[in-house]
Amino acid sequence: GAGVSQSPSNKVTEKGKDVELRCDPISGHTALYWYRQSLGQGLEFLIYFQGNSAPDKSGLPSDRFSAERTGGSVSTLTIQRTQQEDSAVYLCASSQILGAGEQYFGPGTRLTVT
Amino acid sequence: SQQGEEDPQALSIQEGENATMNCSYKTSINNLQWYRQNSGRGLVHLILIRSNEREKHSGRLRVTLDTSKKSSSLLITASRAADTASYFCATDSNTGNQFYFGTGTSLTVIP
Repeated sequence: GAGVSQSPSNKVTEKGKDVELRCDPISGHTALYWYRQSLGQGLEFLIYFQGNSAPDKSGLPSDRFSAERTGGSVSTLTIQRTQQEDSAVYLCASSQILGAGEQYFGPGTRLTVT
Repeated sequence: SQQGEEDPQALSIQEGENATMNCSYKTSINNLQWYRQNSGRGLVHLILIRSNEREKHSGRLRVTLDTSKKSSSLLITASRAADTASYFCATDSNTGNQFYFGTGTSLTVIP
């Protein structure tokens, strides 16, 4: 595609519900990254994928967070039993090769947990 | 943590002036990047400087890197109102697979 896309752009959910965030990277990009940005803060690295594989999940904030990538393309970030502290903008980025430098970011999903 | 820290946190200048932002980090890197973010949404890549480079230019942007001091600076010359945004530095991990962003500098350019 022309760029990285994310859906939904905004999500409001009740505490305790599960949410699924989607990222469509640029076609052909093998590396995909998820970040979280709380209001007025920097980006918190969550997880990266090389193809469909996520070798290091230590950046995920808790075991309520999980992510997968299928077909070397679309990725989903799932948050189970959402808490108010999960409210943030979730950003996805992709790059041609893992660790190759420039990342292309999507517009983000703004998650609000009420 | 290897997270970079930008300085200052906020900067306000008049259009036409130069803006300088600094970034410090903690451990060795392969490269350092600067990104711009408008309206709290997606980031746009500005420039990448490798650890063996000391200075790099791109248009009105000038980036320096001092690996001995573990610091970098971003200079925007002849600033424009459209440069108003948050600017982040990002450093890579030892493996080069993870990236750490600082908390950003909020730049306001007054027309």
